[in-house]
Order: sequence, then C-alpha cells, then structure tokens
Amino acid sequence: AQRVTQPEKLLSVFKGAPVELKCNYSYSGSPELFWYVQYSRQRLQLLLRHISRESIKGFTADLNKGETSFHLKKPFAQEEDSAMYYCALTTGRRALTFGSGTRLQVQP
Amino acid sequence: NAGVMQNPRHLVRRRGQEARLRCSPMKGHSHVYWYRQLPEEGLKFMVYLQKENIIDESGMPKERFSAEFPKEGPSILRIQQVVRGDSAAYFCASSPIVENTEAFFGQGTRLTVV
Repeated sequence: AQRVTQPEKLLSVFKGAPVELKCNYSYSGSPELFWYVQYSRQRLQLLLRHISRESIKGFTADLNKGETSFHLKKPFAQEEDSAMYYCALTTGRRALTFGSGTRLQVQP
Repeated sequence: NAGVMQNPRHLVRRRGQEARLRCSPMKGHSHVYWYRQLPEEGLKFMVYLQKENIIDESGMPKERFSAEFPKEGPSILRIQQVVRGDSAAYFCASSPIVENTEAFFGQGTRLTVV
C-alpha cells in the first residue's frame, strides 16, 4: 500500500530564509505527487503537482524517484507562506493519500 | 462558482445519535471524495463516488458509515450510532469527469461527539 511521510510537524524559519519541507513516499509504481496548502481559516488548495513542473508562489518541488522524495522548496520565505502543507500522492485510482502535514511558521 | 460547499461547518452529536454531513460539489463536477482528518493526523481517504455510484469505499469503516451521491442533491456521509472516536474533521472534494484534474476541497465539517 502507498504511504506518504512528512517527518516534520513544525518548521519555523525567519523571513527571507530558505525553506525545505520534506516529503517521502512509498509506492512500487509511478505515483503522481502533489503539495496542498491550507492557510489559516481557508480550505485546502492545490499548490503544485509534479507533472506540471511549475513554480507557484516561488515554491518548487522535484520528484526524486531514487530517493522516493518530493521535497517542497522556496529560496526566500515570506510571512504569508505560514500555513499547513500536505504532501499527497495518487496512484491512478484518483483518491489521494496524504501525509500528516507540516506547519510552516515564518517569523518576521 | 461557489466552490465545494459543506454543511454544517460544525456538528455536535451525543453518543448513539446519527450524524449527516452534506457536500455539494462544484458545478459541473461529477466526482466526489470524502476524507477524514483525526487530530494531529493527515487526511485519510474514505470513499469515492460518482453520481448514483460508489466507485471506491476501501477507506470506509465497515459498520455505521455510509455514503451516497444521488442524481439530484448533495452527497451525504452518514454516520450511525456515533462514538467518541468519530470526532474528526470530515472533508469533501470534487473533481470533473476528466482524468488527472485537480480535486477541489470544501472547508470541512468538524464533528464532535460528546
């Protein structure tokens, strides 16, 4: 069965510092990976997906099949980036498997 | 388009009562997914439905839980004889019929069983 691991419950950085939120997955096939974000009092929303290879709000994530990782990175954190971040995968059956989430706190 | 609408936002039930959670998908979306989030945990898939069909209920507890998505009206997640362990946030997401498209989430229903 597939599994998504986000080892950090909380990541606290200062404004302008680089950010890396870790995500590792286990699945024997070729999953599709996503990052979702939930800002305070807002609904969960898609941040980016690996197949589109986009940079959204300065965030990027590269799928590393050798390390089975999909870490989320941003070179310079902003205060408005403070939120819960969830890594997720789907295996083609459409439903998502989520990690437990990492709370990012960006301090001024 | 108002987005995925869930109601109620908060629901309090006594042990043994029934809980009904509603989800209205985005206009034009025919796929609905229900997820449960326990405290300090990620969202866990429960069930995937299309109009009048349950496609995948592999994450649904075998007893007391049921879901439907009728031809008309919202999708309903029903929990009978609730217990304290059912207290959680329940999220609904919807997507259109096209494969590999984004799922849009509702704001969730927070169920508290007292």
